[in-house]
Amino acid sequence: DAMVIQNPRYQVTQFGKPVTLSCSQTLNHNVMYWYQQKSSQAPKLLFHYYDKDFNNEADTPDNFQSRRPNTSFCFLDIRSPGLGDAAMYLCATSRVLGGMQPQHFGDGTRLSIL
Amino acid sequence: GNSVTQMEGPVTLSEEAFLTINCTYTATGYPSLFWYVQYPGEGLQLLLKATKADDKGSNKGFEATYRKETTSFHLEKGSVQVSDSAVYFCALHSGDYGGSQGNLIFGKGTKLSVKP
Repeated sequence: DAMVIQNPRYQVTQFGKPVTLSCSQTLNHNVMYWYQQKSSQAPKLLFHYYDKDFNNEADTPDNFQSRRPNTSFCFLDIRSPGLGDAAMYLCATSRVLGGMQPQHFGDGTRLSIL
Repeated sequence: GNSVTQMEGPVTLSEEAFLTINCTYTATGYPSLFWYVQYPGEGLQLLLKATKADDKGSNKGFEATYRKETTSFHLEKGSVQVSDSAVYFCALHSGDYGGSQGNLIFGKGTKLSVKP
């Protein structure tokens, strides 16, 4: 089945130690998104790629960056994680931008900071 | 700006009870509306959607009707099962009219627990 795959499911890192989360998709979708979801809250969009065009949300901390080396893969890099960055990180895709296109989510990576 | 308001949870029901989760929205233009479901420890799954006024989305016994006059998109199911226990998110996408084209605006989520 075509899908969105996030690895690993659980990631533990130390305070201040850089960490990278990965996402891959077999849907061949043009758009890939990264969301942060803290406990009992709605997902919050960090940024998205439309093909190679990167779009950062205005309130996304500078600590968070992303790379999309090809259509299938997208990475979330957290340069110096703080305790407040502990959360579930969700990757999603959509075929194109626009309201009629639903987003397809991976199962998420739960990040813990020691 | 665009926003989604959904009823506070948690909602606890007995199996086979009727479910309603209220959702209202504020948006400019002609948004598309979605319900997503999140089972414990998993990502979000699209449950149903409606892209224009009076459309009814339906899936797995769940239904929601896009009501422009009341700016609502309430989720209903006639007979819930234990396996429906999850968090339900109402969301809107403003489409191509203003704002960030990538933004899906979520409500805060409603946790549903169904007891046998």
